[in-house]
Amino acid sequence: GAVVSQHPSRVICKSGTSVKIECRSLDFQATTMFWYRQFPKQSLMLMATSNEGSKATYEQGVEKDKFLINHASLTLSTLTVTSAHPEDSSFYICSVYDGTNYGYTFGSGTRLTVV
Amino acid sequence: GENVEQHPSTLSVQEGDSAVIKCTYSDSASNYFPWYKQELGKRPQLIIDIRSNVGEKKDQRIAVTLNKTAKHFSLHITETQPEDSAVYFCAAFSRGGGNKLTFGTGTQLKVEL
Repeated sequence: GAVVSQHPSRVICKSGTSVKIECRSLDFQATTMFWYRQFPKQSLMLMATSNEGSKATYEQGVEKDKFLINHASLTLSTLTVTSAHPEDSSFYICSVYDGTNYGYTFGSGTRLTVV
Repeated sequence: GENVEQHPSTLSVQEGDSAVIKCTYSDSASNYFPWYKQELGKRPQLIIDIRSNVGEKKDQRIAVTLNKTAKHFSLHITETQPEDSAVYFCAAFSRGGGNKLTFGTGTQLKVEL
């Protein structure tokens, strides 16, 4: 599968501020990346599909104006949590699907804490 | 869309015993079923997977079975060890569903000495 790098690994921000998380596909040109959110002791929930050069596709119930996704190149997708609130505190993970033999690779995740 | 259910939510076994985790899925178009092990604060790690044209797959102490008719698949871990303790997730994948992975709710496995 692809090699995926995600930054930052941890971030603490104040309520009302915005946080950007980066997901890079280091060895594969990814037209599609996925963003998941995982609350403590819960499963990974797909938030959105990031499409290179076009708008992201959001899952039902995910606010597109709050979770801004930009996939401007084949190697980089960013998730910006805008006007963050404590309830946005979670573990955010990106993934890349490389289309070969169901290659599905996850980033290392970002622990977001909003205080 | 796809819905994946997973049971049990917690499982405690003695070292050396077997552990079985079961999942069901709803979308008959799903054709790939991976299992992930996740340690606290880390990314999910693929431990085994199975495609819809296969009924069973084994890799050392880990095996997965798939019943397409019943839409369920199971993870079997034999001779469990303390380092097997983690959260395990099943998932289902459908190309027709936008290449998305839908995860089960997870099973916290604890292997006791």
